[in-house]
Amino acid sequence: EAGVAQSPRYKIIEKRQSVAFWCNPISGHATLYWYQQILGQGPKLLIQFQNNGVVDDSQLPKDRFSAERLKGVDSTLKIQPAKLEDSAVYLCASSLDRPNTEAFFGQGTRLTVV
Amino acid sequence: GENVEQHPSTLSVQEGDSAVIKCTYSDSASNYFPWYKQELGKGPQLIIDIRSNVGEKKDQRIAVTLNKTAKHFSLHITETQPEDSAVYFCAASTNTNAGKSTFGDGTTLTVKP
Repeated sequence: EAGVAQSPRYKIIEKRQSVAFWCNPISGHATLYWYQQILGQGPKLLIQFQNNGVVDDSQLPKDRFSAERLKGVDSTLKIQPAKLEDSAVYLCASSLDRPNTEAFFGQGTRLTVV
Repeated sequence: GENVEQHPSTLSVQEGDSAVIKCTYSDSASNYFPWYKQELGKGPQLIIDIRSNVGEKKDQRIAVTLNKTAKHFSLHITETQPEDSAVYFCAASTNTNAGKSTFGDGTTLTVKP
């Protein structure tokens, strides 16, 4: 079974530029999450999708971050404009839509803002 | 919201020794507590979890305990091996969906051969 795919693996941009990350969840997983993991910290949930609808985006900095999952499968996370403090690993995870189910994480995209 | 504190931040043990990582949480409504292992350059991987109606759970060399009254839970790894070296995260959730969790800041475990 293929895992959660993310691209790119690494990205370096200058502050005030924009960047987008892509995630392809495990086939059949209706729930998709984006997490931000700053170096030395645990992952922090940014947004949760159920199919193509947003379930929770309370911790997403909406002035600069946006995310979409138009067809209920792939998802993109965008930052515009980027700030130095956005440097982090952005993790995508997916799970089946039922209780007591495991979430599977992708390898993440490491973003460096200079 | 939920706050999860984890300690120690680093732990070094000799191969074959035991390792213990402890976490506390703040939200009494939390009912699901997963533990993740993250190796360098990879995403977190669930290694064991425990639900609020259970006090202890064991899977081979790994065990977790939960004290709901004190709001703390622990990970125990026995007979450690060099391949156990990684960053371990505890997490807490009010939802049995493992993906929506508040994570601790991690423990870097080093097992010396």
